Amino acid sequence: DADVTQTPRNRITKTGKRIMLECSQTKGHDRMYWYRQDPGLGLRLIYYSFDVKDINKGEISDGYSVSRQAQAKFSLSLESAIPNQTALYFCATSDDRVGVMDGYTFGSGTRLTVV
Amino acid sequence: QKEVEQNSGPLSVPEGAIASLNCTYSDRGSQSFFWYRQYSGKSPELIMFIYSNGDKEDGRFTAQLNKASQYVSLLIRDSQPSDSATYLCAVKGAAGNKLTFGGGTRVLVKP
Repeated sequence: DADVTQTPRNRITKTGKRIMLECSQTKGHDRMYWYRQDPGLGLRLIYYSFDVKDINKGEISDGYSVSRQAQAKFSLSLESAIPNQTALYFCATSDDRVGVMDGYTFGSGTRLTVV
Repeated sequence: QKEVEQNSGPLSVPEGAIASLNCTYSDRGSQSFFWYRQYSGKSPELIMFIYSNGDKEDGRFTAQLNKASQYVSLLIRDSQPSDSATYLCAVKGAAGNKLTFGGGTRVLVKP
């Protein structure tokens, strides 16, 4: 099984609908992140969480919300989806222990299309 | 000015040659630097990380960091067609709490 699992892998939804993207991890990491990727724009941070009680906005949080249900679960919601939220969404985790390599482990991504 | 900048490419290199990718960053207090490889439609995969000035080698990959000039580079020696992908530079800033990614450089290795 993958260390970081995202569901669904693909989703087509209509404008105005509420949609939730889910992420779960088995790495035991406290830190979790949601990024979106658009062609030519790299990865842009939406929200991040350093533990269950910690939620922080990233650079493009408008139109999104998150929930950290447990150490292992971090969900991203689009309250009212719009077409320019069509993108590839990635969840990632990282280890915050001192002296440990602190790069991210990514999930497989969710391709979201808003029509 | 973007926080992390990369040439979008495509960088076209013949098989067996060296591919050289560059990345500049704006936060002078940045602490950690990463290179990810991403195949089309797939998730980014960490291939190199570097924390100190100088070179770090791992197999066919070498990362180079120059904090004074605020750039980090990636060399791919003996390039193979399987190296054709987009390479993302990522930087952890002075606050040390998250990675900022560049837009990526697309590399094409031609047989």
